[in-house]
Amino acid sequence: DSGVTQTPKHLITATGQRVTLRCSPRSGDLSVYWYQQSLDQGLQFLIQYYNGEERAKGNILERFSAQQFPDLHSELNLSSLELGDSALYFCASSVGNGAVTGELFFGEGSRLTVL
Amino acid sequence: DQQVKQNSPSLSVQEGRISILNCDYTNSMFDYFLWYKKYPAEGPTFLISISSIKDKNEDGRFTVFLNKSAKHLSLHIVPSQPGDSAVYFCIAGGTSYGKLTFGQGTILTVHP
Repeated sequence: DSGVTQTPKHLITATGQRVTLRCSPRSGDLSVYWYQQSLDQGLQFLIQYYNGEERAKGNILERFSAQQFPDLHSELNLSSLELGDSALYFCASSVGNGAVTGELFFGEGSRLTVL
Repeated sequence: DQQVKQNSPSLSVQEGRISILNCDYTNSMFDYFLWYKKYPAEGPTFLISISSIKDKNEDGRFTVFLNKSAKHLSLHIVPSQPGDSAVYFCIAGGTSYGKLTFGQGTILTVHP
C-alpha cells in the first residue's frame, strides 16, 4: 500500500460526458502528479500541483483540468470525453516540489472507459 | 518527441540468468534517473535510482549503470526470479528540469 488513494477505481461513461477523478496523497506529501497510461503507451505526465499551486504541466488537453485543495487532495476533471480518453489515470505524490530527486508514490489508478 | 526511450517492448529471461533492460534519453538537462516496476492492476513502485554524478548504483540484485556520454542507462537484475516479471519503466528527471519523463516501459518475463 503506497498510501496514495484514488477513486473511483473503475468508471464507465459515454462520449461527451464529464468525469472527476479524485486523489488523496500520502500523509505529509505536498506534491500531487497526474499521469495517463493509454493502451501500448508509457505513462504520460499530465500535470503537477505543489501545495495547492500548479507547478508543472505536461501533455494535458484543454478539455482536462485539475486542482489541488487546501487539504492537499486533488481532482482531475475530464470533460467532453472522447473514445481516445479511455485510459488508466494514475495519481502520485511526493514530499518535494517536483524537482524530483526522490521517489514518487503511486496510487492504484482509475480506469476510465469511454463508450 | 520521445525524450526517454526503451526500445525493447519486451524481454524474456530464464530464471537465474541476468536481465538487462536498456534506456536511452535525449535531453541533457536530465540529471537524475529512476527505474520503477509495475505489476498488473497496481501502481508503479520505485525500484532504484541514480544521480548523474555516479555511473553505477547497486541495491541487492538490482544494479543501474549510467553512461552520460552515450545518454544511456541500463538496469541489471541478477539473478532473475519469476517474481521480477513486471513492466519496468525508465524515468528521467532532475533538479533543474522539474518533472519526470517516463519511457514506454519494457515487459520482463522471467521463466521458471
